[in-house]
Amino acid sequence: AQSVAQPEDQVNVAEGNPLTVKCTYSVSGNPYLFWYVQYPNRGLQFLLKYITGDNLVKGSYGFEAEFNKSQTSFHLKKPSALVSDSALYFCAWGYNFNKFYFGSGTKLNVKP
Amino acid sequence: DAGVTQSPTHLIKTRGQHVTLRCSPISGHKSVSWYQQVLGQGPQFIFQYYEKEERGRGNFPDRFSARQFPNYSSELNVNALLLGDSALYLCASSLVGGDTQYFGPGTRLTVL
Repeated sequence: AQSVAQPEDQVNVAEGNPLTVKCTYSVSGNPYLFWYVQYPNRGLQFLLKYITGDNLVKGSYGFEAEFNKSQTSFHLKKPSALVSDSALYFCAWGYNFNKFYFGSGTKLNVKP
Repeated sequence: DAGVTQSPTHLIKTRGQHVTLRCSPISGHKSVSWYQQVLGQGPQFIFQYYEKEERGRGNFPDRFSARQFPNYSSELNVNALLLGDSALYLCASSLVGGDTQYFGPGTRLTVL
């Protein structure tokens, strides 16, 4: 079955350190890949997307993601984590955008 | 500009009842999608509507139905509620069917 997977339920990082939230995909063809963030009791906020072109995608709040076709990965990264980045992060894929499928989510904890 | 709005914010129903959830998209957006997010899981795609027509459907029973109105707002209806329908229901809108989705804050449905 076509899907995205987030292998880590939780990621802990110290403020100021780089962070990586992992996502791998199992999708045929050319997937459209997204990252969203969810703060407590809030809806999802769009961070960035990969459609085609440059494998390094820059998004909101200093986040970026690298599309790696050989490793079928789309990891989310940020050079320097902030405590305010603590939230639930979701990777998602869409095909022709008629359906969006989300991963199970990764809880990011940034400690002061 | 106002974002995606959803009503009500919270709702408590009993098993067997019917519920209607409402969504108003961002002004100018013609596509609306619905998702179910059970606690601790990623959002699950239910429906997508574009220009008042159903363009995508997820793996949900026929008890779930939706429609989109001429002003592009949308309703999600769930009949014969089950305990397992308790979840956060998210609405997302996009300019067209193949574009980035922007989410509302959700409706928290509790079925007793």
